[in-house]
Amino acid sequence: QQPVQSPQAVILREGEDAVINCSSSKALYSVHWYRQKHGEAPVFLMILLKGGEQKGHDKISASFNEKKQQSSLYLTASQLSYSGTYFCGTRSGGYNKLIFGAGTRLAVHP
Amino acid sequence: EPEVTQTPSHQVTQMGQEVILRCVPISNHLYFYWYRQILGQKVEFLVSFYNNEISEKSEIFDDQFSVERPDGSNFTLKIRSTKLEDSAMYFCASSEQGRGETQYFGPGTRLLVL
Repeated sequence: QQPVQSPQAVILREGEDAVINCSSSKALYSVHWYRQKHGEAPVFLMILLKGGEQKGHDKISASFNEKKQQSSLYLTASQLSYSGTYFCGTRSGGYNKLIFGAGTRLAVHP
Repeated sequence: EPEVTQTPSHQVTQMGQEVILRCVPISNHLYFYWYRQILGQKVEFLVSFYNNEISEKSEIFDDQFSVERPDGSNFTLKIRSTKLEDSAMYFCASSEQGRGETQYFGPGTRLLVL
């Protein structure tokens, strides 16, 4: 089942912060965050693994609550380049496939 | 930095025609994937491939679809008889290992079925 992302859209001024949430009804092995700009491929940002290991971006952080099957992506001091659609992809059980949420559109204005 | 590459970048075809989308995964990666994204919608998993066989596939990946690794570098997705609803961006991805590893996406092939 597809993870649920919230909010659907966010509008920010440069320098403001945002939090994007991703929740699943299934137990998660890992959560993968991507950003996609219009007409481009998803670009990897962050991976959070069961057990606490985290790999990814130095200017964006994330948390993973395994018990609640939720992850949050924290964008602080946003820059214009942060604009795009953020997708969380989740992996459950023994499967390698990523199941993506519907995405959160982020627009950062000067 | 190594990248996943895909060709062609755009493909226009007539309904019922066969198309082959090509991907060159990152060279030391062992797991390969195809995803698709219909315009304005989320990215959807199609199939994963490891050790020269399909390891998982979604409901979308029906008998009209097939994948192949014809040589040591290419990974292809064939759609045998395209339908209008196959119009989408198709992304190839690869990862070094399976679980817990980052999947790197290629730039995509935009397929338009007329």
